[in-house]
Amino acid sequence: NAGVMQNPRHLVRRRGQEARLRCSPMKGHSHVYWYRQLPEEGLKFMVYLQKENIIDESGMPKERFSAEFPKEGPSILRIQQVVRGDSAAYFCASSPSHNQPQHFGDGTRLSIL
Amino acid sequence: KNEVEQSPQNLTAQEGEFITINCSYSVGISALHWLQQHPGGGIVSLFMLSSGKKKHGRLIATINIQEKHSSLHITASHPRDSAVYICAVRSGTGNQFYFGTGTSLTVIP
Repeated sequence: NAGVMQNPRHLVRRRGQEARLRCSPMKGHSHVYWYRQLPEEGLKFMVYLQKENIIDESGMPKERFSAEFPKEGPSILRIQQVVRGDSAAYFCASSPSHNQPQHFGDGTRLSIL
Repeated sequence: KNEVEQSPQNLTAQEGEFITINCSYSVGISALHWLQQHPGGGIVSLFMLSSGKKKHGRLIATINIQEKHSSLHITASHPRDSAVYICAVRSGTGNQFYFGTGTSLTVIP
């Protein structure tokens, strides 16, 4: 049973480009969480999704950031018109339900040139 | 002030020592998590607690809901325990997660 798969592991973008980060949850997990870890800072909650629904996006910046978790396929975190401050590690976690432990992916390290 | 405070920030121990990492929080919670982040960056969920105590191998986690405090203990520490240990709480009123800034543990052989 594969764990939470995130790709790419590393992503380099120039300012103004779009970044797409993918997360495939563990089999049987319908709850997905995205977190951001800025350099030298702690983890911050961004968004919580359940299949096809955004449950809580209170941690997500209002502009340029969006997330989806379609019925088929991975969850996508999309960042439009990236800026230097978007450089961070983005972690995805999944769980079978909201009240069960989360399993984390290895993260995507996003670097903005 | 952060919703979750951890202490100490950094901890160096000799192999075999008993280690305690503390976490205090200021919000109502439905669950508390202890996470381990290795130098490579990967994160592993160690415990999820809502009351009492849990044990897994050499790791023990306790929580006192009234005092809003949790501790993570490592018995017979080993260099492979070297990592950053992060306390996180899930809000009792919503879906928000709040994270401590982590405790960086180094165990010296």
